[in-house]
Amino acid sequence: AQSVTQLGSHVSVSEGALVLLRCNYSSSVPPYLFWYVQYPNQGLQLLLKYTTGATLVKGINGFEAEFKKSETSFHLTKPSAHMSDAAEYFCAVSDPYSSASKIIFGSGTRLSIRP
Amino acid sequence: NAGVTQTPKFRVLKTGQSMTLLCAQDMNHEYMYWYRQDPGMGLRLIHYSVGEGTTAKGEVPDGYNVSRLKKQNFLLGLESAAPSQTSVYFCASSPQGGGYTEAFFGQGTRLTVV
Repeated sequence: AQSVTQLGSHVSVSEGALVLLRCNYSSSVPPYLFWYVQYPNQGLQLLLKYTTGATLVKGINGFEAEFKKSETSFHLTKPSAHMSDAAEYFCAVSDPYSSASKIIFGSGTRLSIRP
Repeated sequence: NAGVTQTPKFRVLKTGQSMTLLCAQDMNHEYMYWYRQDPGMGLRLIHYSVGEGTTAKGEVPDGYNVSRLKKQNFLLGLESAAPSQTSVYFCASSPQGGGYTEAFFGQGTRLTVV
Protein backbone atom coordinates (compact mmCIF):
# COMPACT_ATOMS: atom_id res chain seq x y z
CA ALA A 1 0.00 0.00 0.00
CA GLN A 2 1.11 3.51 -0.68
CA SER A 3 1.44 6.22 1.92
CA VAL A 4 2.74 9.73 2.34
CA THR A 5 4.27 11.35 5.41
CA GLN A 6 4.59 15.10 5.68
CA LEU A 7 7.05 16.20 8.34
CA GLY A 8 5.78 19.18 10.27
CA SER A 9 2.13 20.12 10.43
CA HIS A 10 3.05 23.81 10.62
CA VAL A 11 6.01 25.66 9.14
CA SER A 12 6.66 29.36 9.66
CA VAL A 13 9.22 31.35 7.67
CA SER A 14 10.02 35.02 7.20
CA GLU A 15 9.11 36.78 3.99
CA GLY A 16 12.04 36.37 1.60
CA ALA A 17 13.36 33.26 3.33
CA LEU A 18 13.69 29.78 1.87
CA VAL A 19 10.62 27.59 2.04
CA LEU A 20 11.19 23.86 2.59
CA LEU A 21 8.25 21.50 3.08
CA ARG A 22 9.16 17.87 3.58
CA CYS A 23 7.43 14.82 2.12
CA ASN A 24 8.41 11.17 2.25
CA TYR A 25 6.51 8.44 0.49
CA SER A 26 6.15 4.70 0.57
CA SER A 27 5.40 2.81 -2.61
CA SER A 28 6.19 -0.63 -3.98
CA VAL A 29 6.25 0.66 -7.55
CA PRO A 30 7.65 3.83 -9.15
CA PRO A 31 5.08 6.35 -8.02
CA TYR A 32 3.56 9.49 -9.37
CA LEU A 33 4.03 12.30 -6.84
CA PHE A 34 2.20 15.57 -6.41
CA TRP A 35 2.07 18.76 -4.42
CA TYR A 36 -1.27 20.50 -4.06
CA VAL A 37 -1.96 23.86 -2.39
CA GLN A 38 -5.11 24.90 -0.58
CA TYR A 39 -5.81 28.54 0.10
CA PRO A 40 -8.29 29.40 2.87
CA ASN A 41 -11.85 28.32 2.14
CA GLN A 42 -10.93 26.95 -1.25
CA GLY A 43 -10.40 23.59 -2.87
CA LEU A 44 -7.03 22.13 -3.72
CA GLN A 45 -5.09 23.07 -6.81
CA LEU A 46 -2.10 21.36 -8.35
CA LEU A 47 1.30 22.99 -7.76
CA LEU A 48 3.43 20.42 -9.55
CA LYS A 49 3.78 16.72 -10.22
CA TYR A 50 6.43 14.14 -10.95
CA THR A 51 5.68 11.25 -13.27
CA THR A 52 8.85 10.13 -15.05
CA GLY A 53 11.99 11.73 -16.44
CA ALA A 54 13.66 14.75 -14.90
CA THR A 55 13.69 14.45 -11.13
CA LEU A 56 13.59 18.21 -10.52
CA VAL A 57 10.11 19.44 -11.23
CA LYS A 58 9.12 23.07 -11.51
CA GLY A 59 5.63 24.22 -10.68
CA ILE A 60 3.58 27.35 -10.43
CA ASN A 61 4.40 30.38 -8.27
CA GLY A 62 8.14 29.62 -8.19
CA PHE A 63 7.87 26.30 -6.37
CA GLU A 64 9.87 23.24 -7.27
CA ALA A 65 10.35 19.74 -5.92
CA GLU A 66 12.97 17.06 -6.37
CA PHE A 67 12.23 13.35 -6.55
CA LYS A 68 14.91 11.40 -4.68
CA LYS A 69 14.30 7.71 -5.04
CA SER A 70 17.14 6.72 -2.70
CA GLU A 71 15.62 8.84 0.07
CA THR A 72 11.98 8.19 -0.92
CA SER A 73 11.47 11.92 -0.68
CA PHE A 74 9.74 14.65 -2.67
CA HIS A 75 10.43 17.86 -0.77
CA LEU A 76 8.91 21.15 -1.92
CA THR A 77 11.04 24.29 -2.02
CA LYS A 78 10.84 27.94 -2.96
CA PRO A 79 13.91 30.20 -2.74
CA SER A 80 12.11 33.27 -1.45
CA ALA A 81 8.79 33.21 0.42
CA HIS A 82 6.05 35.69 -0.35
CA MET A 83 3.13 36.60 1.86
CA SER A 84 0.78 35.15 -0.74
CA ASP A 85 2.35 31.70 -0.21
CA ALA A 86 0.56 31.33 3.11
CA ALA A 87 -1.64 28.26 2.64
CA GLU A 88 -1.86 24.57 3.39
CA TYR A 89 0.22 22.25 1.25
CA PHE A 90 -0.47 18.60 0.59
CA CYS A 91 1.89 15.98 -0.78
CA ALA A 92 0.22 13.09 -2.58
CA VAL A 93 1.15 9.81 -4.24
CA SER A 94 -0.50 7.49 -6.72
CA ASP A 95 0.25 4.17 -8.32
CA PRO A 96 -0.03 4.66 -12.08
CA TYR A 97 -0.20 0.90 -12.65
CA SER A 98 -3.18 0.33 -10.40
CA SER A 99 -6.70 0.08 -11.67
CA ALA A 100 -7.85 1.59 -8.39
CA SER A 101 -6.94 5.05 -9.66
CA LYS A 102 -6.50 6.44 -6.18
CA ILE A 103 -4.47 9.43 -5.11
CA ILE A 104 -3.35 9.23 -1.47
CA PHE A 105 -2.78 12.52 0.35
CA GLY A 106 -0.56 13.38 3.27
CA SER A 107 -1.88 15.12 6.36
CA GLY A 108 -0.84 18.56 5.14
CA THR A 109 1.57 21.29 6.21
CA ARG A 110 0.32 24.75 7.02
CA LEU A 111 2.78 27.40 5.83
CA SER A 112 2.79 30.76 7.59
CA ILE A 113 4.81 33.74 6.39
CA ARG A 114 6.11 36.30 8.89
CA PRO A 115 6.45 39.90 7.65
CA ASN B 1 -15.98 27.82 -16.94
CA ALA B 2 -17.46 26.32 -13.77
CA GLY B 3 -15.17 23.28 -13.39
CA VAL B 4 -16.29 21.30 -10.35
CA THR B 5 -19.28 22.63 -8.44
CA GLN B 6 -20.40 21.35 -5.06
CA THR B 7 -23.84 21.91 -3.57
CA PRO B 8 -24.47 22.95 -0.82
CA LYS B 9 -21.48 24.86 0.53
CA PHE B 10 -22.58 24.67 4.16
CA ARG B 11 -25.03 22.47 6.04
CA VAL B 12 -25.93 21.70 9.62
CA LEU B 13 -27.62 18.37 10.30
CA LYS B 14 -29.06 16.78 13.39
CA THR B 15 -27.86 13.32 14.33
CA GLY B 16 -29.85 10.73 12.41
CA GLN B 17 -30.90 13.01 9.58
CA SER B 18 -30.05 12.21 5.99
CA MET B 19 -28.74 14.36 3.19
CA THR B 20 -27.18 14.25 -0.25
CA LEU B 21 -24.20 16.25 -1.43
CA LEU B 22 -24.11 16.97 -5.13
CA CYS B 23 -20.97 17.28 -7.24
CA ALA B 24 -21.21 18.41 -10.85
CA GLN B 25 -18.38 18.75 -13.35
CA ASP B 26 -18.53 20.24 -16.81
CA MET B 27 -15.18 18.98 -18.11
CA ASN B 28 -16.40 15.59 -19.38
CA HIS B 29 -14.09 13.81 -16.93
CA GLU B 30 -14.38 10.06 -16.47
CA TYR B 31 -13.10 9.86 -12.89
CA MET B 32 -14.73 11.46 -9.89
CA TYR B 33 -13.88 11.30 -6.20
CA TRP B 34 -15.26 12.22 -2.80
CA TYR B 35 -12.82 13.10 -0.03
CA ARG B 36 -13.27 14.27 3.52
CA GLN B 37 -10.82 16.65 5.16
CA ASP B 38 -10.29 16.62 8.90
CA PRO B 39 -7.70 18.58 10.90
CA GLY B 40 -4.35 16.81 11.03
CA MET B 41 -5.55 13.98 8.80
CA GLY B 42 -5.34 15.48 5.35
CA LEU B 43 -7.77 14.24 2.72
CA ARG B 44 -9.16 10.75 2.96
CA LEU B 45 -10.88 9.08 0.04
CA ILE B 46 -14.48 8.06 0.74
CA HIS B 47 -15.67 6.70 -2.60
CA TYR B 48 -14.73 7.15 -6.21
CA SER B 49 -16.02 6.40 -9.70
CA VAL B 50 -14.12 5.46 -12.84
CA GLY B 51 -17.02 6.19 -15.16
CA GLU B 52 -20.76 6.61 -15.48
CA GLY B 53 -22.62 3.89 -13.62
CA THR B 54 -19.59 2.77 -11.58
CA THR B 55 -18.63 3.34 -7.95
CA ALA B 56 -15.94 1.95 -5.68
CA LYS B 57 -14.98 2.21 -2.02
CA GLY B 58 -12.09 4.31 -0.83
CA GLU B 59 -10.34 4.43 2.54
CA VAL B 60 -13.29 5.51 4.71
CA PRO B 61 -16.56 4.42 3.03
CA ASP B 62 -18.60 3.45 6.10
CA GLY B 63 -21.72 5.53 6.63
CA TYR B 64 -21.73 6.90 3.08
CA ASN B 65 -23.25 5.87 -0.22
CA VAL B 66 -22.65 7.24 -3.70
CA SER B 67 -24.20 7.17 -7.12
CA ARG B 68 -23.01 8.14 -10.60
CA LEU B 69 -26.09 7.90 -12.79
CA LYS B 70 -24.84 10.63 -15.12
CA LYS B 71 -21.25 11.18 -16.15
CA GLN B 72 -21.22 14.76 -14.97
CA ASN B 73 -22.69 14.15 -11.52
CA PHE B 74 -21.44 12.28 -8.47
CA LEU B 75 -23.71 12.20 -5.43
CA LEU B 76 -22.62 11.48 -1.87
CA GLY B 77 -25.32 10.38 0.56
CA LEU B 78 -25.43 10.19 4.31
CA GLU B 79 -28.33 7.97 5.36
CA SER B 80 -28.13 8.61 9.10
CA ALA B 81 -25.73 11.38 10.00
CA ALA B 82 -23.43 11.04 13.00
CA PRO B 83 -21.28 13.67 14.74
CA SER B 84 -18.19 11.80 13.49
CA GLN B 85 -19.20 12.83 9.99
CA THR B 86 -18.66 16.49 10.79
CA SER B 87 -16.05 17.44 8.23
CA VAL B 88 -15.29 19.35 5.08
CA TYR B 89 -16.14 17.30 2.00
CA PHE B 90 -14.37 17.77 -1.31
CA CYS B 91 -15.32 16.44 -4.69
CA ALA B 92 -12.73 16.10 -7.43
CA SER B 93 -12.63 14.93 -11.02
CA SER B 94 -9.94 13.94 -13.49
CA PRO B 95 -9.91 12.81 -17.10
CA GLN B 96 -7.84 9.77 -16.19
CA GLY B 97 -7.16 7.88 -13.01
CA GLY B 98 -3.98 6.88 -11.21
CA GLY B 99 -2.70 10.43 -11.16
CA TYR B 100 -1.87 10.49 -14.86
CA THR B 101 -3.61 13.81 -15.04
CA GLU B 102 -4.41 16.58 -12.62
CA ALA B 103 -7.39 16.24 -10.33
CA PHE B 104 -9.67 19.29 -10.20
CA PHE B 105 -11.33 20.06 -6.89
CA GLY B 106 -14.53 21.77 -5.92
CA GLN B 107 -14.58 24.40 -3.19
CA GLY B 108 -15.87 22.06 -0.54
CA THR B 109 -18.95 21.49 1.59
CA ARG B 110 -18.65 22.20 5.29
CA LEU B 111 -20.95 19.80 7.14
CA THR B 112 -21.68 19.96 10.85
CA VAL B 113 -23.63 17.19 12.55
CA VAL B 114 -25.01 18.13 15.97
